[in-house]
Amino acid sequence: KQEVTQIPAALSVPEGENLVLNCSFTDSAIYNLQWFRQDPGKGLTSLLLIQSSQREQTSGRLNASLDKSSGRSTLYIAASQPGDSATYLCAVPGEYGNKLVFGAGTILRVKS
Amino acid sequence: DVKVTQSSRYLVKRTGEKVFLECVQDMDHENMFWYRQDPGLGLRLIYFSYDVKMKEKGDIPEGYSVSREKKERFSLILESASTNQTSMYLCASSYGDETQYFGPGTRLLVL
Repeated sequence: KQEVTQIPAALSVPEGENLVLNCSFTDSAIYNLQWFRQDPGKGLTSLLLIQSSQREQTSGRLNASLDKSSGRSTLYIAASQPGDSATYLCAVPGEYGNKLVFGAGTILRVKS
Repeated sequence: DVKVTQSSRYLVKRTGEKVFLECVQDMDHENMFWYRQDPGLGLRLIYFSYDVKMKEKGDIPEGYSVSREKKERFSLILESASTNQTSMYLCASSYGDETQYFGPGTRLLVL
């Protein structure tokens, strides 16, 4: 059964710092991995989707990498801003391809 | 832009009431999902549907049922609400293996 772990559970950084969020998964037979953002009391917003054939994806100040063989993904946020404060979740396909298995998330706080 | 809407942002119900949560998407996605999100437990899949009138149980289907009579609409039904169903309910839709798009969520309180 696929399990997804995210480290750290929470992170507090000063504005402008570059940071890395980590995601690991137990079954490496995945065909993609997604990173989502969730603001308090809101739904999830898709940030990046990495296909298994890709090693990384970039969107603005966000860069996500995927290493299937080691069962890891990282989300790199450059020059963090207070507006980046949110919970970041990673997810991989589960037993049925369309079903996602989510990590518990990393709560990020960027202090101004 | 893909839009997924949920019928209510906040809902307060009494134990034993029948509760309907509605989700509508406007992008002709064949897949639709219902999750619940609880502190410390993360997102857990309740049910999903890959076509009209088709449904599959997720990880925690007990106490819930679903209905998908039209492609754009996926309803979650709590036949007899209980206090342990107090939670944040999130609906999502997707096309094939592509990313899932989430609605804003419904925060349900069962008294």
